[in-house]
Amino acid sequence: QVQVVQSGGGVVQPGGSLRLSCSASGFIFSTYAMHWVRQAPGKGLEWVAVVWHDGSNKFYADSVRGRFTISRDNSKNTLYLQMNSLGAEDTAVYYCVRDEGTYKFDYWGQGTLVTVSS
Amino acid sequence: QSALTQPASVSGSPGQSITISCTGTSSDVARYNLVSWYRQYPGKVPEVLIYEVTKRPSGVSNRFSGSKSGNTASLTISGLQAEDEGDYYCCSYEGRTGVFGGGTKLTVL
Repeated sequence: QVQVVQSGGGVVQPGGSLRLSCSASGFIFSTYAMHWVRQAPGKGLEWVAVVWHDGSNKFYADSVRGRFTISRDNSKNTLYLQMNSLGAEDTAVYYCVRDEGTYKFDYWGQGTLVTVSS
Repeated sequence: QSALTQPASVSGSPGQSITISCTGTSSDVARYNLVSWYRQYPGKVPEVLIYEVTKRPSGVSNRFSGSKSGNTASLTISGLQAEDEGDYYCCSYEGRTGVFGGGTKLTVL
């Protein structure tokens, strides 16, 4: 069955960096676009970034562009989010999400909490 | 990339129908038929209810339906049940990127 398992996250100081990972199984990873979506405590969902199935294109929300980098390794069925210059506003649960192709987010990782605090 | 506009809360009694609106712009909701809807229970992962404006994934009750008119998409839940209580989010493609609505809390009275 389809599984999307996240790792990484934790507490980081302002200005610091962190890398999230997302390991996929149960489907042909290289044929799906993958996204990161986040949710600040008590707040709504915020779209963060997308990488196309083959890694050829990557797009970002204005709030993270230039600081975050989404990438994937199709040989390892793994999605990444490298987060730099973190600020308090980046504190959130981050979700790795599979996109069936039409912004149908059909499988979500379990979420991982990133807390930016000194 | 401004968030889509949803009502903060809606409520209804069991058996009734409710509609949640999702207002965007000519650059997102109006331009693309790539609007999806998600339900999230407290402390849980969101789940897709509607995609491509009107399509329902297998396993999702036919009490959920989606529509769009101009720059406003809508989610209608008929035959309201206690289990429908939760937070609902719309999402739209906006040309390369995505955008969510602010979310609507549904209360079943």
